[in-house]
Amino acid sequence: KQEVTQIPAALSVPEGENLVLNCSFTDSAIYNLQWFRQDPGKGLTSLLLIQSSQREQTSGRLNASLDKSSGRSTLYIAASQPGDSATYLCAVKDYGGSQGNLIFGKGTKLSVKP
Amino acid sequence: SQTIHQWPATLVQPVGSPLSLECTVEGTSNPNLYWYRQAAGRGLQLLFYSVGIGQISSEVPQNLSASRPQDRQFILSSKKLLLSDSGFYLCAWSVSRRDGEQYFGPGTRLTVT
Repeated sequence: KQEVTQIPAALSVPEGENLVLNCSFTDSAIYNLQWFRQDPGKGLTSLLLIQSSQREQTSGRLNASLDKSSGRSTLYIAASQPGDSATYLCAVKDYGGSQGNLIFGKGTKLSVKP
Repeated sequence: SQTIHQWPATLVQPVGSPLSLECTVEGTSNPNLYWYRQAAGRGLQLLFYSVGIGQISSEVPQNLSASRPQDRQFILSSKKLLLSDSGFYLCAWSVSRRDGEQYFGPGTRLTVT
């Protein structure tokens, strides 16, 4: 059974710092991995999608990497801003189910202090 | 562009009452549709998914049911709510492909009293 773990559960950094969020998964048989952002009381916003054949994806100040063989992904946020404060969720789409299911980690709650 | 709507945004219901949450998607055809629940301390859990009209797959046994009466409409229902049904319910869609990116709606906060 696929399990997704995110470390740390919470992170507080000063504005301007570069930071890395970690995600690990137990079964490397995945179609893709997706990083989301969730603001309090809101839905999920998709940040980056990495297909299983890819190593990384970039969008603005965000860079996500995928090492499928070791079951790891990282989300790198450059020059963090207070507006980046949110919970970041990692999810993998594995081979379970007829259309694949997204298996989520419990998230990393990020706080960027001005 | 594609848009996903959910309503209501918040709902407070007594134990034993019925439930109907609605999700609609605009700007795409034949999407895969998903219902997730996010409960405090438990993360996001997939409840149902649908690959077409009338086709529903259930991921966990529970007090809830889902229906897809139209291509871009997904409904989550219950005949009698339990306290444990409280949570944040999220609808999502993806293109009908196994490696499709999923996009989420704004969610419905359900409190069962």
